[in-house]
Amino acid sequence: DIQMTQSPSSLSASVGDRVTITCRTSQGIRNDLGWYQQKPGKAPKRLIYAASSLQSGVPSRFSGSGSGTEFTLTISSLQPEDFATYYCLQHNSYPRTFGQGTKVDIK
Amino acid sequence: EVQLVESGGGLVQPGGSLRLSCAASGFTFSDHYMDWVRQAPGKGLEWVARIRNKADSYTTEYAASVKGRFTISRDDSKNSLYLQINSLKTEDTAMYYCTRDYDKWGQGTLVTVSS
Repeated sequence: DIQMTQSPSSLSASVGDRVTITCRTSQGIRNDLGWYQQKPGKAPKRLIYAASSLQSGVPSRFSGSGSGTEFTLTISSLQPEDFATYYCLQHNSYPRTFGQGTKVDIK
Repeated sequence: EVQLVESGGGLVQPGGSLRLSCAASGFTFSDHYMDWVRQAPGKGLEWVARIRNKADSYTTEYAASVKGRFTISRDDSKNSLYLQINSLKTEDTAMYYCTRDYDKWGQGTLVTVSS
């Protein structure tokens, strides 16, 4: 199984801050990774696919980078609606595995 | 508009069974692979199962934690995805989501396993 190490597990930030979340995988997965945002009581929403492609309709302040075993989600200027939990998902092999999640809350 | 609507969740005793359904609309269901993902209360996301399309012989994949107890299936004539869950354990308590290609997600259906 591919192990996912997502960090940090939580962070406190202010509106306007630049935020970076990292996922590391135990083996190379090319760019077979997506980033998701989840708000309480809601389904996950995909932000980034193929590691760096912005999902249609998602604000351009979200960006993804990386390939192989290290991946990053960046929010360039945090907005009030961005306070949520973020997950990475690898879909390179089975079983699919998610990162443990990063909760972004208000500082 | 793509829509996925789950149903069939509820309260069930340990050892019991449930059949979850996911009704799809707004896209050509038969073309797509479909998955179930679950989330225990207050916990992270866990992939459960995948079923491929007819072109790939409806083959399936399962997480080790559910293999042998859960069965994923689909009925392309009804644009529906299913998850038969047997021998339920308390640790199966979760919101169950269906997803198309990890892109579109339903709102989830809650399964609670408790005596």
